Amino acid sequence: SQTIHQWPATLVQPVGSPLSLECTVEGTSNPNLYWYRQAAGRGLQLLFYSVGIGQISSEVPQNLSASRPQDRQFILSSKKLLLSDSGFYLCAWSVKYEQYFGPGTRLTVT
Amino acid sequence: AQSVTQLDSQVPVFEEAPVELRCNYSSSVSVYLFWYVQYPNQGLQLLLKYLSGSTLVKGINGFEAEFNKSQTSFHLRKPSVHISDTAEYFCAVSGSAGNKLTFGGGTRVLVKP
Repeated sequence: SQTIHQWPATLVQPVGSPLSLECTVEGTSNPNLYWYRQAAGRGLQLLFYSVGIGQISSEVPQNLSASRPQDRQFILSSKKLLLSDSGFYLCAWSVKYEQYFGPGTRLTVT
Repeated sequence: AQSVTQLDSQVPVFEEAPVELRCNYSSSVSVYLFWYVQYPNQGLQLLLKYLSGSTLVKGINGFEAEFNKSQTSFHLRKPSVHISDTAEYFCAVSGSAGNKLTFGGGTRVLVKP
C-alpha cells in the first residue's frame, strides 16, 4: 500500500532563516506531487505541483520554491522566511484523480 | 476555471442527529468531485469521490453524497453523527485532466452531546 511521509511534524523558525520541508511517497511510481499551505482559519492553497522529476509548476508568486530531485521526493524550500509563511504545510500525491495527503508540517515563523 | 463554494462555514449538530454539508461548484468541463475530512492537526483524508456512474456515492464512516449536475451541487450527508465526526470537511473538484484540485473554504462540524 501507498504511504506518504512528511517531516518535520512541527517547526519554529525565526524570520529570515532558511526552510526545507521534505515529503516522500512509498508504494507508487511516477506520482503527481503537490504542496499546499493552510493558513490559520483559511482553506487550502495550492503552492506547487509536479508531474515528474525536475518538473515544477508554481501556482502563486511567493517566497517559496519546490524541487523534485527523485521520483518520490518533493522538497519545499525558502531562503528567507517571512512571518506570513507561517501555516500548516501539506504534501499530497496522486496517480489518477484523487489526491492523498500526508500528515502535514506545522510551521511557525517568529 | 473552476470554483467551489461551501455555503456553511460552521455547522453545529447534536449527536445522533443528521447533518448535511452543502457544496456547489462551477466548471466549464466535466468534473470529478471529492469530499475530504480533516481532524485537528492532521492531513486530509478522502471520504468519498464521484468520478462517473451512479450519482449517489457512499463513502467511509457512514457518509454519502449526491451529485446533481443540473444544480452543480455535491452535498454531503450523514443520517446520524457521532462525537468523533467533529472535524473540518472540504469539498473539492478537478477537471478532466485530473491534475489539480480546487477546494472549497471548508465547513467546520461541531457535534454536541
